[in-house]
Amino acid sequence: EAGVTQFPSHSVIEKGQTVTLRCDPISGHDNLYWYRRVMGKEIKFLLHFVKESKQDESGMPNNRFLAERTGGTYSTLKVQPAELEDSGVYFCASSPRGYTQYFGPGTRLTVL
Amino acid sequence: GNSVTQMEGPVTLSEEAFLTINCTYTATGYPSLFWYVQYPGEGLQLLLKATKADDKGSNKGFEATYRKETTSFHLEKGSVQVSDSAVYFCALSVYSGGYQKVTFGIGTKLQVIP
Repeated sequence: EAGVTQFPSHSVIEKGQTVTLRCDPISGHDNLYWYRRVMGKEIKFLLHFVKESKQDESGMPNNRFLAERTGGTYSTLKVQPAELEDSGVYFCASSPRGYTQYFGPGTRLTVL
Repeated sequence: GNSVTQMEGPVTLSEEAFLTINCTYTATGYPSLFWYVQYPGEGLQLLLKATKADDKGSNKGFEATYRKETTSFHLEKGSVQVSDSAVYFCALSVYSGGYQKVTFGIGTKLQVIP
């Protein structure tokens, strides 16, 4: 069974540019989550989808971040325009209803 | 709110040394507790978990016991190897509204030297 995949693995952009991160969950997992780890700090929750609906987006830092989940399958997280403080590792996780979350390898975002 | 506190590290040990990484938590409700590990260049992997008081999670020689009275979930291994070098995250989750909301600690970097 394929695990959670994320693309790209690493992205380097300049301040003010736009970046889109993609997450493909494990097949059949209705729940999809985004997390972020800023250097040296905790991994923090950003938002949670159930199928294509946003269940909880309380962790989204501001309106420069937009998450979508097309047809309840893969998800994208767009940052527009990117700022220096957006640098970090963005993790995606998926789970069946109520069960342990399985994490992807993460996307390392560097904003210069 | 929920929170997890763990030692920041880095922790440097010689091969075959005993490892303890402390973790304490505060939570509303009755959390499940986890240790995740991130090896260099890889994603987060679930190392072990415990879902109720006095449960012991174990995997790959690592162990942690859910201590409700001290709100702790310390990670231990009797003899570390170079291949255990990684970042270890303590985490808790609370089941709410049909899903597990996970709160992580800051992560502890472990370096094992030969």
